[in-house]
Amino acid sequence: ELKVEQNPLFLSMQEGKNYTIYCNYSTTSDRLYWYRQDPGKSLESLFVLLSNGAVKQEGRLMASLDTKARLSTLHITAAVHDLSATYFCSWGGSEKLVFGKGTKLTVNP
Amino acid sequence: DTAVSQTPKYLVTQMGNDKSIKCEQNLGHDTMYWYKQDSKKFLKIMFSYNNKELIINETVPNRFSPKSPDKAHLNLHINSLELGDSAVYFCASSQAGTQETQYFGPGTRLLVL
Repeated sequence: ELKVEQNPLFLSMQEGKNYTIYCNYSTTSDRLYWYRQDPGKSLESLFVLLSNGAVKQEGRLMASLDTKARLSTLHITAAVHDLSATYFCSWGGSEKLVFGKGTKLTVNP
Repeated sequence: DTAVSQTPKYLVTQMGNDKSIKCEQNLGHDTMYWYKQDSKKFLKIMFSYNNKELIINETVPNRFSPKSPDKAHLNLHINSLELGDSAVYFCASSQAGTQETQYFGPGTRLLVL
């Protein structure tokens, strides 16, 4: 059975600090997605990672993919309050998409 | 202009009823999706259509039937609604297939009483 595991599920951090969210998956794929969801809102696609070693950055967020380790990371640099949200990773195949349980990030002033 | 729109935004109905949720995208995308997010915020893909052809059909009750009249629309019809169907349903679209960035609609909050 395909599993996508995110950790931590809850993350409380101070502004200005760095942290990493991890996304492990059980079946080989060359496709991994990251999304953001604000409370009561829809989802926003952040990154689509399509190959081993792929790294993408947008502002204070950087995502990477290691297909050999079956691991993707979402690194947060110098966190700010506006980054508070729930972050989901998703494993993708041509006919399947499986989500992690999400990481609820709270950035405290 | 709204890229991916869903109607209605809220839907409150009784068990046993039949209801539909409509989705439209004006991005010219070929691929559309339906997702379900339950009360614990777990997300699950239900269906995906590429240019009106079903490409992802996860294990969902056959009370759920997607219909794509054209590639800009993907509607979700639900028969004999049950309490467990209460959730937020998101529609999304992408340029061509699951390798592309997905754009999500605002969601339809369904409550079955």
